[in-house]
Amino acid sequence: DSGVTQTPKHLITATGQRVTLRCSPRSGDLSVYWYQQSLDQGLQFLIQYYNGEERAKGNILERFSAQQFPDLHSELNLSSLELGDSALYFCASSTDPTAGVGDTQYFGPGTRLTVL
Amino acid sequence: AQTVTQSQPEMSVQEAETVTLSCTYDTSESDYYLFWYKQPPSRQMILVIRQEAYKQQNATENRFSVNFQKAAKSFSLKISDSQLGDAAMYFCAYRSSRSYNTDKLIFGTGTRLQVFP
Repeated sequence: DSGVTQTPKHLITATGQRVTLRCSPRSGDLSVYWYQQSLDQGLQFLIQYYNGEERAKGNILERFSAQQFPDLHSELNLSSLELGDSALYFCASSTDPTAGVGDTQYFGPGTRLTVL
Repeated sequence: AQTVTQSQPEMSVQEAETVTLSCTYDTSESDYYLFWYKQPPSRQMILVIRQEAYKQQNATENRFSVNFQKAAKSFSLKISDSQLGDAAMYFCAYRSSRSYNTDKLIFGTGTRLQVFP
């Protein structure tokens, strides 16, 4: 158990809908990352938050957005869902990416999203 | 841009034997971090081992060790005394040390390891 929690574990929805994925980082971790794992794209970085602020963006679609709340949990919002958005969405956390010892990212169990 | 290549889509090993998974990467940076993550059928991503590029000594974690060749940009994972529980997908990942840029992990495409009794 990495200490990172994600809910829900599974999500099945229809095209055009909107869903919210939730992540709670390890206790003490300030940074949260979101990754998407799909069959054709592999593991792709979406976005990173550090202590409530957006720190880096990857290939995140405009239909996707995220935020990190004062208690450091994060939510990933996916809207206008398409079949191709079906994937495993991981959240990871690290202590402080600006410190050498805090660079390791620990992953949650993932949320499997199926868009029908 | 940095890239990570895992040229072995699948590998197999017999229980108690040793297997080596390959990973090469491309970067113009001199300082960075490298990781191996394991993804068993449960799909959980589990950190296996990490290596700082500025350290010449190869990292070791119990039965797992790496062969880090910085000049060749190679980072292979050796699993000794393989166990059935080692069967999983293994991902090699790169992270820049330039924290002001991005801390994202760049992953290879993975190697599926099968362990036979």
